[in-house]
Amino acid sequence: RKEVEQDPGPFNVPEGATVAFNCTYSNSASQSFFWYRQDCRKEPKLLMSVYSSGNEDGRFTAQLNRASQYISLLIRDSKLSDSATYLCVVSGSARQLTFGSGTQLTVLP
Amino acid sequence: DGGITQSPKYLFRKEGQNVTLSCEQNLNHDAMYWYRQDPGQGLRLIYYSQIVNDFQKGDIAEGYSVSREKKESFPLTVTSAQKNPTAFYLCASSPISMGTEAFFGQGTRLTVV
Repeated sequence: RKEVEQDPGPFNVPEGATVAFNCTYSNSASQSFFWYRQDCRKEPKLLMSVYSSGNEDGRFTAQLNRASQYISLLIRDSKLSDSATYLCVVSGSARQLTFGSGTQLTVLP
Repeated sequence: DGGITQSPKYLFRKEGQNVTLSCEQNLNHDAMYWYRQDPGQGLRLIYYSQIVNDFQKGDIAEGYSVSREKKESFPLTVTSAQKNPTAFYLCASSPISMGTEAFFGQGTRLTVV
């Protein structure tokens, strides 16, 4: 089993739609959680950290469920510019970052 | 401006040659990482270092070597033992403390010709 698993995608949604991605992790000792965004042929960039209480940044909402060991990302009112690959990232006790394989999102006009 | 710099952006290698990818950061981060990304795939950890003169193998270290002689620098050598080196290589750094993000360089695209 992979340490971090994501929805395989791809997700193709119309502009204005709400889309949700899930990610599960296997190491119960994992300490920190993030969502990164990667545009085609570019480096990943931090989208948002994920906190136990859940957190929101504009149209983006991240949730963490430690009991079930999953993380989610909700994007409301999708924009064309949201088209990218979204990477789930988990930091364990050894402080190394483990990346999921990513979920590709295409927002259609 | 603080950041992390990888060079070169594109690199072509003949089979059987060793090549070294450069990664430099001026963010004063203790931890540095090398990842490999294949088309349509996620990032796989090659090596990481949390302190100068110390580094650990990641999931796919075979055929690669690194050094960490300075805090700012973490070069990656792709040796001839790496049988399928064509990929996108990403270097990242982060503060040693937990709960902090990683910052990435712009990547090096290595192609074996």
